[in-house]
Amino acid sequence: NAGVTQTPKFQVLKTGQSMTLQCAQDMNHNSMYWYRQDPGMGLRLIYYSASEGTTDKGEVPNGYNVSRLNKREFSLRLESAAPSQTSVYFCASSEAGTGFFEQYFGPGTRLTVT
Amino acid sequence: TQLLEQSPQFLSIQEGENLTVYCNSSSVFSSLQWYRQEPGEGPVLLVTVVTGGEVKKLKRLTFQFGDARKDSSLHITAAQPGDTGLYLCAAQGGKLIFGQGTELSVKP
Repeated sequence: NAGVTQTPKFQVLKTGQSMTLQCAQDMNHNSMYWYRQDPGMGLRLIYYSASEGTTDKGEVPNGYNVSRLNKREFSLRLESAAPSQTSVYFCASSEAGTGFFEQYFGPGTRLTVT
Repeated sequence: TQLLEQSPQFLSIQEGENLTVYCNSSSVFSSLQWYRQEPGEGPVLLVTVVTGGEVKKLKRLTFQFGDARKDSSLHITAAQPGDTGLYLCAAQGGKLIFGQGTELSVKP
């Protein structure tokens, strides 16, 4: 099992460009999440999908959109990148959307917006 | 907004020393998790605590959930260089929220 995979691993964008971060999990988990991690700020939830076909906003959704393509895949789109979106992005999955269940994280995508 | 405050934010110690990391909030949580993150990787779950006053041990790591379920601590005995990393607490308050992390460096 690969667990949670993310592509790309690194990306540099110019302000105003768009891109999609891809995430896939092979653990048959119902819930998937997108976080961003900035120095000294821990992990902040951008969007999550409690189950296939549903998505909800997290703490910092502005400037992002998501698609739960199927049970395995959950993508994050930046329509018009801004320097404030420079961050490390993590995708995660869990059996269900509660804290009792372990979240499994991907290796992250390091995004720089110039 | 529910907040989790971790302290200290940075900790640099010598191999063999003991240390404690704290995770505090003014809110009550149904459960709390501790994750460890190594450079260039995603966080990995260490433990979940559910009951107020609960203590769990994982080799040299001891985790405690406060009686009122508002705080938690992680104690490492005889730290080793392999313990180096970012330690994150996370609590269930509707959605999972994370503290800002404690960056631990253990020097040989």
